[in-house]
Amino acid sequence: GAVVSQHPSRVICKSGTSVKIECRSLDFQATTMFWYRQFPKQSLMLMATSNEGSKATYEQGVEKDKFLINHASLTLSTLTVTSAHPEDSSFYICSAGAGTMNTGELFFGEGSRLTVL
Amino acid sequence: DAKTTQPPSMDCAEGRAANLPCNHSTISGNEYVYWYRQIHSQGPQYIIHGLKNNETNEMASLIITEDRKSSTLILPHATLRDTAVYYCIVRVRFSGNTGKLIFGQGTTLQVKP
Repeated sequence: GAVVSQHPSRVICKSGTSVKIECRSLDFQATTMFWYRQFPKQSLMLMATSNEGSKATYEQGVEKDKFLINHASLTLSTLTVTSAHPEDSSFYICSAGAGTMNTGELFFGEGSRLTVL
Repeated sequence: DAKTTQPPSMDCAEGRAANLPCNHSTISGNEYVYWYRQIHSQGPQYIIHGLKNNETNEMASLIITEDRKSSTLILPHATLRDTAVYYCIVRVRFSGNTGKLIFGQGTTLQVKP
């Protein structure tokens, strides 16, 4: 299947700082990327949908000013957690839609574990 | 997107077939059934999807009932590495585009030696 890569895989930061997580589609162009958050022992929760060249669409209850999403190219989307606090500690996962492959599957990155001290 | 219902957990003996059920009684005509799995602390892995016909690939088989209100994912010879949370999701599949995946709680499959 198609490959989606996230970086960093783990990050620890101090409270109040901002953290950027990158999501790259390595062998296909992703017109649409999705960002999820997963707390321990829970399922994935969709945060937002980003389309290349346009503003992200956030799910209800997700603060767009807190979680900045940029999808500047067909192979890269970034999620920035601004002014992070301990409650933002979570596993963040992106997925990408290989629209040009016309198969309908979504492929997921390996995830990025954020720990805010 | 239609909601799905899965048992929270299942056990399976190594080498035996694992049959994971999923109910999606409110599925609409243009919604596909997708299966993903998540091994601990990793991103979800695509397994298989189908509309109404049974499907098989190198990983698994997908059996969809004639009324499409339920389906079963079959791992023919489960191994310890198949221990994971399995998610059954229904969503519209767009040609040349992709709709979002909404995850339920899934089934935790424990494969035992």
